[in-house]
Amino acid sequence: RKEVEQDPGPFNVPEGATVAFNCTYSNSASQSFFWYRQDCRKEPKLLMSVYSSGNEDGRFTAQLNRASQYISLLIRDSKLSDSATYLCVVNNGNNNAGNMLTFGGGTRLMVKP
Amino acid sequence: DGGITQSPKYLFRKEGQNVTLSCEQNLNHDAMYWYRQDPGQGLRLIYYSQIVNDFQKGDIAEGYSVSREKKESFPLTVTSAQKNPTAFYLCASSISGPLNTEAFFGQGTRLTVV
Repeated sequence: RKEVEQDPGPFNVPEGATVAFNCTYSNSASQSFFWYRQDCRKEPKLLMSVYSSGNEDGRFTAQLNRASQYISLLIRDSKLSDSATYLCVVNNGNNNAGNMLTFGGGTRLMVKP
Repeated sequence: DGGITQSPKYLFRKEGQNVTLSCEQNLNHDAMYWYRQDPGQGLRLIYYSQIVNDFQKGDIAEGYSVSREKKESFPLTVTSAQKNPTAFYLCASSISGPLNTEAFFGQGTRLTVV
């Protein structure tokens, strides 16, 4: 089983749609969680951190379910510019080893006019 | 401007050659990382370093080597022992703790074996 698993997609949605991605992780001791966005042939960039209480940033909402070991990303009112690959990232580091980011394979989103 | 810079952007290597990818950051970050990305795949950790003169193997370190002589620099050498080196290589840096800090990435180097 992969440490961090995502549905690769692609998710093809019309503009204005609401779309949700899930990501599961295998290490119950994982410390922190992130969603990164990666455009084609570019480097990943942080979209948002994921907090236990859930957090929202504009049209984007992230949730963490530690009991079931998954995180989710909800995008409301999709824009054409949201088309990208969304990477789920889990930090399995500790105070000795420091940060140890493990990336999922990414979920590709394509928003159509 | 602070940031992380990788060079070159594109690199072609003949089989059997060693090549070195450069990664420099002026963010004053202690931690630096090298990842490899294959088409349609996520990122896999090659090596990481939490402090100068120290580094650790990641999940796919075979065929690669690194050094960390300066805080700002973390070069990656792809050796001839790496059987399938064609990939997109990404360097990242972060502060060393706490654990909820983000990683900042360079723009990547595309390595092709010809």
